[in-house]
Amino acid sequence: GQQLNQSPQSMFIQEGEDVSMNCTSSSIFNTWLWYKQDPGEGPVLLIALYKAGELTSNGRLTAQFGITRKDSFLNISASIPSDVGIYFCAGQLEGGRDSGYALNFGKGTSLLVTP
Amino acid sequence: DADVTQTPRNRITKTGKRIMLECSQTKGHDRMYWYRQDPGLGLRLIYYSFDVKDINKGEISDGYSVSRQAQAKFSLSLESAIPNQTALYFCATGTGASPPYNEQFFGPGTRLTVL
Repeated sequence: GQQLNQSPQSMFIQEGEDVSMNCTSSSIFNTWLWYKQDPGEGPVLLIALYKAGELTSNGRLTAQFGITRKDSFLNISASIPSDVGIYFCAGQLEGGRDSGYALNFGKGTSLLVTP
Repeated sequence: DADVTQTPRNRITKTGKRIMLECSQTKGHDRMYWYRQDPGLGLRLIYYSFDVKDINKGEISDGYSVSRQAQAKFSLSLESAIPNQTALYFCATGTGASPPYNEQFFGPGTRLTVL
């Protein structure tokens, strides 16, 4: 699959701080998704993006589909302890039927929030 | 009740044993997927299925087989388990319909250890 470069690999912040993470690729994607994974659980979908330039919010989370269609970012505002977890970006390539519309995942950003 | 369920949640087995991981869903989705998660490598696609008669290999299918017994059930088998198949295994479903047709929803995972 296509490699997605997700950064940073980990973040250690204080409660109340804002967080930003991003994902880049050398290929064009028609979908960007952001997931959160808690320990011992499966990834949970946070935000889905389908159009270049699209900016979507879900509570304190905001994500954008880059204009070039090769990148996306996720921001978390006013972090709280329950934001702790691993955040994954995932993208689906254009013409993805041949690969079953499978998602290509980044390696994740591990977020730790101290009270 | 969870929309996507996986059994067992944890399994320890020995090299050479045949293992089956099961996945059931109540979301009514046609598309189902099996992914493998290794530390530092993100999620990688093993197999995917568009319906009962349409099963396809993913990025890392060697050593695995699948069966789509019904729209709601998709099982993954390791014919002869080896230690480097120790990993977290996730089942996912996808809608296949008009937007949001690229969103995937994950089960809670199976932690497999091959000794």
